[in-house]
Amino acid sequence: QQQVKQSPQSLIVQKGGIPIINCAYENTAFDYFPWYQQFPGKGPALLIAIRPDVSEKKEGRFTISFNKSAKQFSLHIMDSQPGDSATYFCAAKASNAGNNRKLIWGLGTSLAVNP
Amino acid sequence: NAGVTQTPKFRVLKTGQSMTLLCAQDMNHEYMYWYRQDPGMGLRLIHYSVGEGTTAKGEVPDGYNVSRLKKQNFLLGLESAAPSQTSVYFCASSYFLGGEQYFGPGTRLTVT
Repeated sequence: QQQVKQSPQSLIVQKGGIPIINCAYENTAFDYFPWYQQFPGKGPALLIAIRPDVSEKKEGRFTISFNKSAKQFSLHIMDSQPGDSATYFCAAKASNAGNNRKLIWGLGTSLAVNP
Repeated sequence: NAGVTQTPKFRVLKTGQSMTLLCAQDMNHEYMYWYRQDPGMGLRLIHYSVGEGTTAKGEVPDGYNVSRLKKQNFLLGLESAAPSQTSVYFCASSYFLGGEQYFGPGTRLTVT
């Protein structure tokens, strides 16, 4: 059972567009929500993360929006560039779950930004 | 500071052969992980370790074994490779469980 549902599976936008990737979760114990970025042939790397005490976090052109009541969070990429073409993974973690404090991953979104 | 390294980068095995993938990290992280990545299936946790000498099963442990004899190394073994184990394998490490994970560059394994 997929505990973090990510959509869409793939996304194509034009340069300058604002791709949005969405994730939804069920476990209300989750309290840490990171996004990882993976370029072809590389391992994933942490891009940005949010905790549920804020509704939005920005780092450069990347923004996470968080809706605690809807149990949803999303990644927005402002002024997208071809260099942003990558696979993006959302994840979630519960801090109070002992050895179950592992990251739960979404299935990933393949983003292509056309020039 | 090399971060997380994996060897080999590529490998082709015949069904039934065995091999070991090596992961090394130089960040003094307690926690280490092995994932496999398949198209459309995201990152699936195979095994993980919460410290030297410990290992634990992830969500897809069958057909794999692991060992963490030294804090900096985490080995993934396939005793009898099967075509279903064709995948890209990633090792990762973190300072604490569930914290930021640092990934290696991956090993592409093909089992024929």
